[in-house]
Amino acid sequence: GESVGLHLPTLSVQEGDNSIINCAYSNSASDYFIWYKQESGKGPQFIIDIRSNMDKRQGQRVTVLLNKTVKHLSLQIAATQPGDSAVYFCAETGNYGQNFVFGPGTRLSVLP
Amino acid sequence: GAVVSQHPSWVICKSGTSVKIECRSLDFQATTMFWYRQFPKQSLMLMATSNEGSKATYEQGVEKDKFLINHASLTLSTLTVTSAHPEDSSFYICSARDRASGRAFRSTDTQYFGPGTRLTVL
Repeated sequence: GESVGLHLPTLSVQEGDNSIINCAYSNSASDYFIWYKQESGKGPQFIIDIRSNMDKRQGQRVTVLLNKTVKHLSLQIAATQPGDSAVYFCAETGNYGQNFVFGPGTRLSVLP
Repeated sequence: GAVVSQHPSWVICKSGTSVKIECRSLDFQATTMFWYRQFPKQSLMLMATSNEGSKATYEQGVEKDKFLINHASLTLSTLTVTSAHPEDSSFYICSARDRASGRAFRSTDTQYFGPGTRLTVL
């Protein structure tokens, strides 16, 4: 269902380290998953997506892993940089793909 | 490509007035646009799905008479907050689905988000 009224969990990492942000989804029928990055006062920005027929997809410095057995999605950011500080949301398709259901979000803080 | 704009980016209004927010897809046609609301430190909450040329579909708990949505063209959707009150103060974000014309809908049609509109009702 829709995320409602949850305070954001926070992940703090040292600059240069790898970050792993996790997301659990609820709908076993979901077939498309997306990670978005949202900086303060801005709209979400598309990072990477993955279809349910895949379990891993790589982009530039980012990797998304999908475990359908346990309905778990993760976003790995390599060599985390200060510019990566933001809130990260996972989203899954629901309702025949007409709209996306967003997770509660995770705030990533990169420490110098 | 796939740029979505919103206007205005920030609006302050008096209680009881109406505010219109525009969402435009700048370089693609969007048969479907979505309107979200986001409170501080919270996730996005879908308010309604807007399909070009038809009535919007509202999520449960969203008053359709208060949040009027019009999707008159393939590149423009508007959200009007009528008789705004302080509790309507929020960050309103639209998104548009980039769907190539002439083919069937695919679940992988990605949503692209606008930059958001901050509404402050005094």
